[in-house]
Amino acid sequence: AQKITQTQPGMFVQEKEAVTLDCTYDTSDPSYGLFWYKQPSSGEMIFLIYQGSYDQQNATEGRYSLNFQKARKSANLVISASQLGDSAMYFCAMREVTGNQFYFGTGTSLTVIP
Amino acid sequence: KAGVTQTPRYLIKTRGQQVTLSCSPISGHRSVSWYQQTPGQGLQFLFEYFSETQRNKGNFPGRFSGRQFSNSRSEMNVSTLELGDSALYLCASSLVASGGSQETQYFGPGTRLLVL
Repeated sequence: AQKITQTQPGMFVQEKEAVTLDCTYDTSDPSYGLFWYKQPSSGEMIFLIYQGSYDQQNATEGRYSLNFQKARKSANLVISASQLGDSAMYFCAMREVTGNQFYFGTGTSLTVIP
Repeated sequence: KAGVTQTPRYLIKTRGQQVTLSCSPISGHRSVSWYQQTPGQGLQFLFEYFSETQRNKGNFPGRFSGRQFSNSRSEMNVSTLELGDSALYLCASSLVASGGSQETQYFGPGTRLLVL
């Protein structure tokens, strides 16, 4: 089974609107970390936000927030007030406590329309 | 604090040649991981090094190898290059590799390898 599933290959959003990028994960570890990365066309993966499995509150970093629903094993990224510079690939990732490997999803391509 | 650096940024090689890519982690970071990214296969894990030891390895042939030096800098080598090795090779560093699920990986800008 896939560790990380991102079901939206591509998304479009109007500038200044909010957008949600979906991510579901699969693990039996009680302790794990969930991450979101942004990859612009330049190629560099930029760390956006982290959510720990024991965190009681959803993580937020500026315009980014993570909608963490542990029972449903989902960790959706919400970008508020989209900007043209948000156009990029977005990857969801997970690290389990029992291993040191990151598992990445296939990514979602976000295009912000002016 | 300087980020992860990778050299070279771009590389063109021909089939059968070998190539060495270099990665310098963020100062103080001891774990370095390598990934291959292609349009068809997405982001695939190659290997991870910590304290000069390979801790994890992905499902790649033996032509792909790596090493880590005492200053945590890492190199990866691909021998007998094939056309399918054309990809973006990303290096990522994290503070430790002790199993902490909260350890964030920080990526370098990548090396774009084109094999002709």
